[in-house]
Amino acid sequence: EAGVAQSPRYKIIEKRQSVAFWCNPISGHATLYWYQQILGQGPKLLIQFQNNGVVDDSQLPKDRFSAERLKGVDSTLKIQPAKLEDSAVYLCASSLAGVDTQYFGPGTRLTVL
Amino acid sequence: AQKVTQAQTEISVVEKEDVTLDCVYETRDTTYYLFWYKQPPSGELVFLIRRNSFDEQNEISGRYSWNFQKSTSSFNFTITASQVVDSAVYFCALSTRHSGGGADGLTFGKGTHLIIQP
Repeated sequence: EAGVAQSPRYKIIEKRQSVAFWCNPISGHATLYWYQQILGQGPKLLIQFQNNGVVDDSQLPKDRFSAERLKGVDSTLKIQPAKLEDSAVYLCASSLAGVDTQYFGPGTRLTVL
Repeated sequence: AQKVTQAQTEISVVEKEDVTLDCVYETRDTTYYLFWYKQPPSGELVFLIRRNSFDEQNEISGRYSWNFQKSTSSFNFTITASQVVDSAVYFCALSTRHSGGGADGLTFGKGTHLIIQP
């Protein structure tokens, strides 16, 4: 069974530029999560989708971050404009609806210069 | 609010020693789930175990064992006869059920960096 796929794996941009990350969850997983992991810290939840609806986006900085999951499968996370403090690894995870184990993708390492 | 505390920032042991990673959690929910994940240098989070709040039975899987004690809100992880390949950052995490019945996102601790020296 294929795992969670993410791209790109690495991205370097300058502050005030825009960037987008893509995630494809495990087949059949209705719930999708985006996390931000700053160096030396544990991941922090940004947004949670159930199919194509948002369940929790309370920790998403909505002035610059946006995310969508239009067809209930893959998802895109966007940052516009990026700040230096957005440098982090962005992790995507998925789980079966109603089941709690989340499986993570390899992450996208973002560096903002 | 939920919180997970991993007080040990870094542990260094010599190969073949036993090592225990501590995890203390806080939640007001009666139904919750506890997890351990391993993050090797490659960066991908690898699922190790899930425990629900109604099951306090300890678990052993090969060299790994987990001790869940609701009385002290702890979910500790022990590696027996450690090996160099166990070197990684280990995260303890907690989730609860949201109002819709599904699982919330995970609340992670800050992680413990385990170094196994040959």
